[in-house]
Amino acid sequence: NAGVTQTPKFRVLKTGQSMTLLCAQDMNHEYMYWYRQDPGMGLRLIHYSVGEGTTAKGEVPDGYNVSRLKKQNFLLGLESAAPSQTSVYFCASSYSRLAGGPVRSYNEQFFGPGTRLTVL
Amino acid sequence: QQQVKQSPQSLIVQKGGISIINCAYENTAFDYFPWYQQFPGKGPALLIAIRPDVSEKKEGRFTISFNKSAKQFSLHIMDSQPGDSATYFCAASMQGGSEKLVFGKGTKLTVNP
Repeated sequence: NAGVTQTPKFRVLKTGQSMTLLCAQDMNHEYMYWYRQDPGMGLRLIHYSVGEGTTAKGEVPDGYNVSRLKKQNFLLGLESAAPSQTSVYFCASSYSRLAGGPVRSYNEQFFGPGTRLTVL
Repeated sequence: QQQVKQSPQSLIVQKGGISIINCAYENTAFDYFPWYQQFPGKGPALLIAIRPDVSEKKEGRFTISFNKSAKQFSLHIMDSQPGDSATYFCAASMQGGSEKLVFGKGTKLTVNP
């Protein structure tokens, strides 16, 4: 199992450019999440999805859009990149208690390796 | 509003010493309190977690102490090793909350040889 994978690993954008970050998981998890990590700020939730075709806003959703067309994929889009979006982006996935995943794994989020994005 | 407050921001410990990181939460609906460990250039990974029906959970050298009345929990790393040098995040979530985790801001631990 590859677990959670993210592409690309690094990207440099100019202000105003757009891009899409791809997250894929092969663990059949119901829930998927996008976070950004900035120095001294911890991990902040951008958007999340509780299943295929559903998405919801997290703590810092402005400037981002997401889509979950397939259960295994969760896409994060930046329509018009700004320097404030320079960050490391992490995708994560987890079981759902309702979906009957292993009890021990409830709430455990599995993270990808991250995408380092710089917006100039 | 920061729902999970973590301290200290950074911690330096000598090899063999005890590392202690503290977290405090505000929302009494939280029912799951994990600690994540992150090495440079990697994504965070679950280290250990506790539910509020117990006051302590131990896994090897890592122990979570939980104080429900004070709304505080802490991570203790016994016999700290240089390989434990990483950033540690506490977090909290609640049932019915889409398994969303609210993270503390992190503690950078350095264990000197």
